[in-house]
Amino acid sequence: QKEVEQNSGPLSVPEGAIASLNCTYSDRGSQSFFWYRQYSGKSPELIMFIYSNGDKEDGRFTAQLNKASQYVSLLIRDSQPSDSATYLCAVENTGTASKLTFGTGTRLQVTL
Amino acid sequence: DTGVSQNPRHKITKRGQNVTFRCDPISEHNRLYWYRQTLGQGPEFLTYFQNEAQLEKSRLLSDRFSAERPKGSFSTLEIQRTEQGDSAMYLCASSLQRQPQHFGDGTRLSIL
Repeated sequence: QKEVEQNSGPLSVPEGAIASLNCTYSDRGSQSFFWYRQYSGKSPELIMFIYSNGDKEDGRFTAQLNKASQYVSLLIRDSQPSDSATYLCAVENTGTASKLTFGTGTRLQVTL
Repeated sequence: DTGVSQNPRHKITKRGQNVTFRCDPISEHNRLYWYRQTLGQGPEFLTYFQNEAQLEKSRLLSDRFSAERPKGSFSTLEIQRTEQGDSAMYLCASSLQRQPQHFGDGTRLSIL
C-alpha cells in the first residue's frame, strides 16, 4: 500500500464548477497536510495546508481533513481554465525531519 | 523574499560524468530539503538539512550522491558517475521550523 494515494485522473470539470480532489494516507501519526499545484514542467507551488480536523478555506480553495478516516480533500470552487494542473497531496511525517511524502498527483482539466 | 533559487535549470551530461546542483534557500529559512521527481510521480525525499547539519538521508540516496550545506546557507547536491536512472527533476525546498516547505524551480537532469 502506498503511503499517500491519489487518483491520477484526469479529472475533468467544466468552467465554473466545483472540482473535488481526494487523498488518503496510511501513517496515522501524520500531523500536517499540504496541497501543491504543479503545472507541466514546473515545480510544485503550495496552495493550501491544514493541520486540524475540519475545513480550512482560502479564497476559492477549501481543504478538508478527517484524521479518523485518514482522508484529505481539496475543493476548488468556480474552477477556471488556469486551474488545470496536477494537484499533489503531501503528508508531513512524524519525526525530526518533517519530510514530505507525496502522492502521485491528480491531473485536473477545466474545460470551457 | 526572493524565493528558492536553483541552478542550473537544465543539465545535460553523458553517463558516467559528475554533476553538481546548487540551491539557495529563502533567506532565514533554516531547513533545506532535496527531492527528486520523475515523470508521473510525486517528488521523493532525498535529504534534509537543519542549518548546516544533514539530519536525514533517504535510502534512495546511494553512495554516488552527496549533499552539503556549508555555513547553513546554500546547498549543493553532487551526483558522481551518473547513470541513466538519475534522469529526473531535482527539487530543493526550504522552510522555517513548523512552516510549509516552498520549492525552487528545480534542476532538470538529462543523462545521454
